[in-house]
Amino acid sequence: AQSVTQLDSQVPVFEEAPVELRCNYSSSVSVYLFWYVQYPNQGLQLLLKYLSGSTLVESINGFEAEFNKSQTSFHLRKPSVHISDTAEYFCAVSEGGSQGNLIFGKGTKLSVKP
Amino acid sequence: NAGVTQTPKFQVLKTGQSMTLQCAQDMNHEYMSWYRQDPGMGLRLIHYSVGAGITDQGEVPNGYNVSRSTTEDFPLRLLSAAPSQTSVYFCASSYSTGSSGNTIYFGEGSWLTVV
Repeated sequence: AQSVTQLDSQVPVFEEAPVELRCNYSSSVSVYLFWYVQYPNQGLQLLLKYLSGSTLVESINGFEAEFNKSQTSFHLRKPSVHISDTAEYFCAVSEGGSQGNLIFGKGTKLSVKP
Repeated sequence: NAGVTQTPKFQVLKTGQSMTLQCAQDMNHEYMSWYRQDPGMGLRLIHYSVGAGITDQGEVPNGYNVSRSTTEDFPLRLLSAAPSQTSVYFCASSYSTGSSGNTIYFGEGSWLTVV
């Protein structure tokens, strides 16, 4: 069965510092990988996704994630964070050939301090 | 284009009461689903539907009922509310099933408190 582990429940960081939010998954078949972001009192928004091809995927606001099949990881990175990046980030996996249901990790709260 | 619309946004129920959370999407999406979000638990799938007339259970279906009479609507019914159902509920949809890489779009959530 699939599962997703987000290793850090909270990550505090200063503005303009780099950040990495870690995500590992387990699955016996091919997977699709997603990062969603949730701002306070809002729904989830897709940040980026890996389906196939290049293992490095980028978002429009400077985040990137790299699919590493051997380490079963999909860590999210940003070289310089802003106050506005403060949010909760969820890693999710969907198995190829499934109905498309997402299995979510428990989330990482990113807190950017001035 | 309203996307995924959930109502109500906030609701307080007494134990044993029943209620329906409404979800509608205007994107002609085949796939719709309901998740609940609890602190430190991430999102867990309650029920999902791959098209009108077709529903299936997710990870935590007990105490909830769904139906899909139209493509647009996917209501979630709480049959007899319990304090353990206090949560934030999210409805989601995506264009089609069978292609698991499709982006899933989420509503803004419904905050439910059962006292």
